[in-house]
Amino acid sequence: GAGVSQSPRYKVAKRGQDVALRCDPISGHVSLFWYQQALGQGPEFLTYFQNEAQLDKSGLPSDRFFAERPEGSVSTLKIQRTQQEDSAVYLCASSSGQSNQPQHFGDGTRLSIL
Amino acid sequence: RKEVEQDPGPFNVPEGATVAFNCTYSNSASQSFFWYRQDCRKEPKLLMSVYSSGNEDGRFTAQLNRASQYISLLIRDSKLSDSATYLCVCWFSSNTGKLIFGQGTTLQVKP
Repeated sequence: GAGVSQSPRYKVAKRGQDVALRCDPISGHVSLFWYQQALGQGPEFLTYFQNEAQLDKSGLPSDRFFAERPEGSVSTLKIQRTQQEDSAVYLCASSSGQSNQPQHFGDGTRLSIL
Repeated sequence: RKEVEQDPGPFNVPEGATVAFNCTYSNSASQSFFWYRQDCRKEPKLLMSVYSSGNEDGRFTAQLNRASQYISLLIRDSKLSDSATYLCVCWFSSNTGKLIFGQGTTLQVKP
């Protein structure tokens, strides 16, 4: 389809392992956002890209979290040395980048850290 | 204090009932407001934007009161398919376009 695609859909990892989550935005969308959603909570902002530039990473909870979008399209969120508190749904959203255009969300990656 | 606050519910209502959700926001610089709907284990989807003049989309009515920093969503003639979590969302342009979500209010419509 033409929506935001995220993979894997589910990821289980042992504490201490590194994980990489992928987001494929809608073609042509300039803006890309990552959000973290804990159980029973609303999504919380992690980081924002405009094309390949990471303009805001104020929401990343620690230096174990790293995101990139090297060619301004696909983005990867990497979490190093995972902890149990990293267990959450990680949502990616994209928009055209024009003022106040809606963000379209992917299905998310459900990450469980054992 | 969270930037966007909602009563998490759950709201349990019978089919056909009218139900209202409220939301308050703390940042007066917020410029745009939305209601998103999220079904269990699915992604959030835009339900409607919220304007000061109030706006209606079928059975749904959204209202914004900037003076009180208060947003509402009214659902008339509830359907079973309305069962979901409703997320109140703020946006302001000086914030790199990120969305600020409330905790969400869970609605269960029962037959």
